[in-house]
Amino acid sequence: KNEVEQSPQNLTAQEGEFITINCSYSVGISALHWLQQHPGGGIVSLFMLSSGKKKHGRLIATINIQEKHSSLHITASHPRDSAVYICAVPKETSGSRLTFGEGTQLTVNP
Amino acid sequence: DAGITQSPRHKVTETGTPVTLRCHQTENHRYMYWYRQDPGHGLRLIHYSYGVKDTDKGEVSDGYSVSRSKTEDFLLTLESATSSQTSVYFCATRSYNEQFFGPGTRLTVL
Repeated sequence: KNEVEQSPQNLTAQEGEFITINCSYSVGISALHWLQQHPGGGIVSLFMLSSGKKKHGRLIATINIQEKHSSLHITASHPRDSAVYICAVPKETSGSRLTFGEGTQLTVNP
Repeated sequence: DAGITQSPRHKVTETGTPVTLRCHQTENHRYMYWYRQDPGHGLRLIHYSYGVKDTDKGEVSDGYSVSRSKTEDFLLTLESATSSQTSVYFCATRSYNEQFFGPGTRLTVL
């Protein structure tokens, strides 16, 4: 069993829809990361959160430490949101190394 | 943008040849990482460095070596490339628990 499980693996939506991507992990962590990988391959960090909720524009990330679960929400989705979204958790409390989920491929159609 | 460049960006080589990939950063980050990304797997850590001349193995280090003689440069060497090392390789740095990724190198071993 992977330490980090994401669902769904693939997601297709129509423009304007509300999107939810889930991440479950099996290790104890101090913080969880959400990353975005563009179609061209570049990877950028979206959020790092250790509790509650964070919001950046149309993106919202939530985490429940007790349930070891995080969700990434996209409101009013747009074709430019099409990307792979990756969840990652630290391997140890120092946070120096991360374990990554396999990613969720999101396609938003106009 | 943490000023991370990777070279080369694309390389095709033959089995048994040595290959060196270079990662260069301009942000003076202490931690640097080499990952590989393959279909069906999340990003997997090959090696990482926590300072000049300080390196450690990741989860998929067999067949790879690294060197870090300067803060800004982290080299990944495949001593004798194999077809199983065909992959996309990402370099990353870390600052305050956030990781910043380079653009990736696509390596094909024939």
